[in-house]
Amino acid sequence: QLRLQESGPGLVKPSETLSLTCSVSGGSVSSTTFYWDWVRQPPGKGLEWIGGIYYDGSTYHNPSLESRATISVDTSKNQFSLRLSSVTAADTAVYFCARKYCSTIPDIWSGSNYFDYWGQGILVTVSS
Amino acid sequence: SHELTQPPSVSVSPGQTARITCSGDTLPKKYVYWYQQKSGQAPVLVIYEDTKRPSGIPERFSGSSSGTVATLTISGAQVKDEADYYCYSTDSSVLFGGGTKLTVL
Repeated sequence: QLRLQESGPGLVKPSETLSLTCSVSGGSVSSTTFYWDWVRQPPGKGLEWIGGIYYDGSTYHNPSLESRATISVDTSKNQFSLRLSSVTAADTAVYFCARKYCSTIPDIWSGSNYFDYWGQGILVTVSS
Repeated sequence: SHELTQPPSVSVSPGQTARITCSGDTLPKKYVYWYQQKSGQAPVLVIYEDTKRPSGIPERFSGSSSGTVATLTISGAQVKDEADYYCYSTDSSVLFGGGTKLTVL
C-alpha cells in the first residue's frame, strides 16, 4: 500500500522560506506513470494546487505561485520536496503531498490524470 | 482563466438523494473527478473519469457529466457521507472547484 508522509517545520516566519518533504513508501517516485504533487488548503478554505514533479526532474506549477515555489525530487531517498519563498500569512495552510496518475505522459494535460494517493497533510503557520 | 463552480452547500435528510453540481466551460472536453474530504482528513477520490467509481467506494456514489455541468449523486445519503466535496479537472493547469459542504440530517 502506497504511503506518503509530509514533514517539515510547522511554523515559519514571514519573508522566510517554507520547506517541506514528502517521503514515499510502498512505491517509487521513479515510476513512469505518476507525477508527484503538492496541494494546500488554507484553514476553512478550499484546495489549491501548487505544482508537481516527474522523476526526471520535469516540473509544472500553478502560474499564481510559480515564481515562489520550487519542487525537487530525490530518487535515491524516494522523496520529493517543496520550497516556497517569501512567505506571508496568506501561505498559512495544510500542505498535502499527493501522487498524480497521468495516462498520457509527457502530455500531462490530456487523457486521464488525477490524484490517487494523498499524505495526511501538515499544517504550516506563517507568523512571527 | 478557467474555473469550476460548485454550490457552497447542499443539505438532505438521511436516505434522500444528494446532488452536487460542478460547472465549467472545459468540462465538455475534459474528464471530471470528485473528491470527498471529511474534517481533518485528506481528500479521497470517489469518482474518476466522469462516471467511474474506485474500488472501495460504495455504489450509492455515482457521477455524470453533460455539456458544461457535471453532477455527483449520492443515492440514499447517509450521515457518514457528511463532508466537503470537490470537483477537479484539468486544462493546461489543475482546477479544483470551490467545494460543496454536504449536510445530512
